Parts: sequence; structure tokens; C-alpha cells
Amino acid sequence: ELKVEQNPLFLSMQEGKNYTIYCNYSTTSDRLYWYRQDPGKSLESLFVLLSNGAVKQEGRLMASLDTKARLSTLHITAAVHDLSATYFCAVDPGTNAGKSTFGDGTTLTVKP
Amino acid sequence: NAGVTQTPKFRVLKTGQSMTLLCAQDMNHEYMYWYRQDPGMGLRLIHYSVGEGTTAKGEVPDGYNVSRLKKQNFLLGLESAAPSQTSVYFCASSYWGRTNQPQHFGDGTRLSIL
Repeated sequence: ELKVEQNPLFLSMQEGKNYTIYCNYSTTSDRLYWYRQDPGKSLESLFVLLSNGAVKQEGRLMASLDTKARLSTLHITAAVHDLSATYFCAVDPGTNAGKSTFGDGTTLTVKP
Repeated sequence: NAGVTQTPKFRVLKTGQSMTLLCAQDMNHEYMYWYRQDPGMGLRLIHYSVGEGTTAKGEVPDGYNVSRLKKQNFLLGLESAAPSQTSVYFCASSYWGRTNQPQHFGDGTRLSIL
């Protein structure tokens, strides 16, 4: 059974600081997604990581994938208040089963 | 382009009542999913479908039934609602196969069972 663990689950940071969210998973996979959810809203896709060493960046967020370590990171650079949200990683099991397993989410609060 | 549309958006039920949540997508996606989201527990997969006429159980299927009679629609039914089913329900859809496409989510249905 595929297990996906995110840490930390809660993160409070000051504007302008950098931080990293970690997503560990338990079985082989080469397809990982990051989603963002604003309070009371739906989930929207941020990044799709499809191979070992993949790196994607958009604005102050950068995601990477290390399939050998079964680890993805979401790095936040010079945080701003608008980045406050819950971030989920989701992993496909690699069996073309058509379903992903989600982590529990990291709730990020950026304070002025 | 509406994407994934869920109805209703809010509903309050009494214990033992039944209801159906509707999910419709206009992206011609093969795969569709129903999740529930509870505080501190992330998203848990209830049922999913890999194509018209097919359904499969997810992580927490008990107390729910689903049907996919048309490719664009995925229905989630609660036959006898229980307070433990109070949650936010999300529907999602995606393309088939090993593509690089993420899931697309609806806005959610907030369901309270009294």
C-alpha cells in the first residue's frame, strides 16, 4: 500500500523567509503532483513531476523530485502572504491504476 | 469551459436520509473520482471510475455507492446518511493513462448530517 507523508503539517513563517516542505512516499513511483488549496476552496494543480531529477518553478515556488530517495520537495523563496494556503502532494503508484494517494497536506501561514 | 461542476454546493441532512451528489465534467476525461476531506485528514478516496460503466472502491467506500452511466457524469449516493459522513466532498477528473495531466477538482459539496 502506497503511503505518502508530508512534513511539516503546519508551517508558520515570516514574509521574506525561505522554507521547504517535504513529501516522502513509500513505493516506487515516477509521477508526483503538487496541489494548492486556499481555505474553503477547491484544489488547483501547481506542478507535475514526471521523472527523477525533475524540477519545476513558478514564481516563488520550486518543486523537485528524487525518485531514488522517494522524496519530493516544495521550496518557498522569500515568502509572501499570498502563498498562505494548504499544499498537498499526491503520488501515482506507477501501476497505471488511475488513482493517486494524497498526503495530509501542509498548511502554510505567512505572517507580515 | 466549466471544468468540473458539483451539485449541490451545500446540504444538510438528517440521519437516515438519502441523497445523491452529482459531478459533471466537460473535458472528456476518462477517469473520475470522489473524495472526502475532513479536518486534519487530507483527501481520502471514496470511489473512482476509469471509464463509462465502471466503478471501483477507494480507501473509504463503506456507506457510499456510485454510478457512471455517462462518461461526463459521476454520481455519489448516500443511502442512509450518518453523522460520520459529515464532510466536504470533492469530485475530480483526469485523462487516462500515463499522461502528465493532474486531476481537475470541482468546488466541493459541504454536507452536514444531523
